[in-house]
Amino acid sequence: GAVVSQHPSRVICKSGTSVKIECRSLDFQATTMFWYRQFPKQSLMLMATSNEGSKATYEQGVEKDKFLINHASLTLSTLTVTSAHPEDSSFYICSAREGGPGDTQYFGPGTRLTVL
Amino acid sequence: EDKVVQSPLSLVVHEGDTVTLNCSYEVTNFRSLLWYKQEKKAPTFLFMLTSSGIEKKSGRLSSILDKKELFSILNITATQTGDSAIYLCAVEATGANNLFFGTGTRLTVIP
Repeated sequence: GAVVSQHPSRVICKSGTSVKIECRSLDFQATTMFWYRQFPKQSLMLMATSNEGSKATYEQGVEKDKFLINHASLTLSTLTVTSAHPEDSSFYICSAREGGPGDTQYFGPGTRLTVL
Repeated sequence: EDKVVQSPLSLVVHEGDTVTLNCSYEVTNFRSLLWYKQEKKAPTFLFMLTSSGIEKKSGRLSSILDKKELFSILNITATQTGDSAIYLCAVEATGANNLFFGTGTRLTVIP
């Protein structure tokens, strides 16, 4: 079956630094990738949708200058949390979709970010 | 290899029917199992299950976990068209570094 990986699985950084998280589709080409943020016992919050080769579409309230998304190829999207602060500490999950809306989204295992 | 398998992949029922969605898992260091409903954008949280045999209920939805047999079911009674969605099962491993999602069950409720 389709596999989506994320790297790193866990990262701890100091306040003010930037952190890059990678999301890869391992055995299929992902036309669209999604980035979510999860809060404990709560729903996933969609942060942005990215299509390969074009700018990401950010959800309302998500700072595009703080959460930089690059979907450089059909198998790789990156999320960079710039100038991280403790309130950015969270679980970030990506998903990838091969086709259009209605196609299955495959979720990555998530990245736990802790900002000290 | 850690994995979460949901069945069926898709399901079409008529309003008023009762449905049972299945989620089986093989995860090292199991911590909890979560059910989500995904309609348009982000999946919305339904239940978190950590203990076997204790049913969680919310309106017409209920869910139970069997940690011995490594599966969970999500029941929806008296289905309505608004229940049409993809239902996702995810398993959290200890340390919360990993959240393994199934591919989901696409439920369609016909009037």
